[in-house]
Order: sequence, then structure tokens, then C-alpha cells
Amino acid sequence: QKEVEQNSGPLSVPEGAIASLNCTYSDRGSQSFFWYRQYSGKSPELIMSIYSNGDKEDGRFTAQLNKASQYVSLLIRDSQPSDSATYLCAVNLAGTASKLTFGTGTRLQVTL
Amino acid sequence: GAVVSQHPSWVICKSGTSVKIECRSLDFQATTMFWYRQFPKQSLMLMATSNEGSKATYEQGVEKDKFLINHASLTLSTLTVTSAHPEDSSFYICSAFGPGLSNEQFFGPGTRLTVL
Repeated sequence: QKEVEQNSGPLSVPEGAIASLNCTYSDRGSQSFFWYRQYSGKSPELIMSIYSNGDKEDGRFTAQLNKASQYVSLLIRDSQPSDSATYLCAVNLAGTASKLTFGTGTRLQVTL
Repeated sequence: GAVVSQHPSWVICKSGTSVKIECRSLDFQATTMFWYRQFPKQSLMLMATSNEGSKATYEQGVEKDKFLINHASLTLSTLTVTSAHPEDSSFYICSAFGPGLSNEQFFGPGTRLTVL
């Protein structure tokens, strides 16, 4: 089992719709969770961080964390073509100090 | 705030030569920086953790004699790929914790290395 798992996609949503991206992680003791956006050929850009169960909203983005089920998700409301990118879930796994473990990413395509 | 720069943004070199990549935190001090490598259509793989004033900590399978890391100041870490070979061609990205107590990592723009 991979430590951080994501569906590779592509996930295709029409412009204006809600995109839902999911991530599961293996270590129940993990405490810090991050979503990064990576455009092709570019480095990752931090979108959201979440540390406690529940929802965290920032503009069109909402991160959801459920530690009991070991999953974290990212919702993008009113999806725009500029949101088309690969979204990386990163987890600070328990016992790994400050290191991040990344999922393989989900490619999102927002269609006109 | 939390801007991380890298230089060069891309480099092409001949097999057997060494290449140095610089990672700088521009508006904050970074006692810890991280070096990642990303092959096409794959996720980021952590290579090493760079600590200011001490030796880097390398991940399993990463050759420390091939990938030399120096973190000489609170704003600069360097990665030197020694005796580069075509299989070292990749996208190298550094990151650092932003200012304050947050453990959010902010990434540099990356360096694309091509070894001929």
C-alpha cells in the first residue's frame, strides 16, 4: 500500500462545476496535510494546509480532513480553465519529522 | 513573503561534468531546506534534507557522494550533481519552510537538468 494515494485521473469537469479531489494516507498518526497545484513544467504551489478534522475554506477552495477514515479532499468551486493542473496531496507522515510524502497527483481538466 | 528562488532554471551539460544548483530563500531565513527530484509524469521524490550548518540527511537510495549538498547560510543551499550522467536528467526542486511557526513548505521554481 502506498503511503499517500491519489487517483491519477484525468478528472474532467465543465467550467463552473465543482471539482472534487481525494487523497488517502496510510499512517493514522499523521498530523499535517497539504494540497499543492502543479502546472505542467512548473514547480508545486501551495494551495491549502489543514491540520484538524473538518473543513477549511479559502476562496473557491475547501479542504476536508477526516482522520478517522484517513482521507483528505480538496473541493474547487466554480472551476475555471485556469484550474487545469495536477493537484498533489502531501502528508507529513508520523515519525518523519518535517518531511512531506507526496501522492502521485490527480490531473484536473476543466473544459469550456 | 515566503519566496524561494533557484538558479539556474535550466542547464544542459555533458556527461561526466558537475553541475551546481542554488536555492535561496529571498525574504526569510530557512534553517531547513529540502531537495526533490521529479521525473516526467511522476511525483516528487525527496532526495535530502539540508540543514544550515550541518550535514544533509539523505533519503534511502540517494548517493550522498554524487549529490553534494551544502547549506552554508540561512538563505542559501546548494546541490551539486557530480559526474552527471544522462539518467540524472530530471527536474530538481528545492523547498523551505516559510517564516513563522507554520510547517508549510514553499517551493522554488525548479531547475531542469539535461545531461547529454
